Amino acid sequence: DVKVTQSSRYLVKRTGEKVFLECVQDMDHENMFWYRQDPGLGLRLIYFSYDVKMKEKGDIPEGYSVSREKKERFSLILESASTNQTSMYLCASSTWGTGTNQRLYEQYFGPGTRLTVT
Amino acid sequence: TQLLEQSPQFLSIQEGENLTVYCNSSSVFSSLQWYRQEPGEGPVLLVTVVTGGEVKKLKRLTFQFGDARKDSSLHITAAQPGDTGLYLCANTYSSASKIIFGSGTRLSIRP
Repeated sequence: DVKVTQSSRYLVKRTGEKVFLECVQDMDHENMFWYRQDPGLGLRLIYFSYDVKMKEKGDIPEGYSVSREKKERFSLILESASTNQTSMYLCASSTWGTGTNQRLYEQYFGPGTRLTVT
Repeated sequence: TQLLEQSPQFLSIQEGENLTVYCNSSSVFSSLQWYRQEPGEGPVLLVTVVTGGEVKKLKRLTFQFGDARKDSSLHITAAQPGDTGLYLCANTYSSASKIIFGSGTRLSIRP
């Protein structure tokens, strides 16, 4: 089974603090993703990475950065946390398929980190 | 931008009843996934459908992909409290490995 783990289930930080959220996957997946999930807004993609040291902006990258130094690890960084970044943060990984391989794009999620910024 | 619409947004039914939830798009899906998310957890992949008209069954869950590959449905037979959760459909997004998610159907099963 694919396992995606996140460093914390719950986190409380103060406004202005630098926050690190860590994600590790054990299936040698090429692609990793960070989402935030808010009531009424669904899942929104922050950043994703398709290879080590590669990253691409998602739909809402402002206020966030990412780091992928190793294939299995993808970190989300809040440079200066603000109250509007209070949310559920979800990490996911996926592999590339080949041809008509339907496993392409299937995402495997971690349990989430509920971050509260006060 | 592709948009996935899910309906209904909320559904509360009695244990033992049947239900159907829907996922629709104005664009053709390349493939479509269904996920279930329980409170406080991440989404878990249930199924992927690829071929127009395809039907897949997972115990009491039946997934159908529309012939034109622009819609999908999830039917649950004899719902149980363990079926409670947020059901999300998702589709591939342009040429990248990103996918987009619908806003979900929040299902509650009353004992």
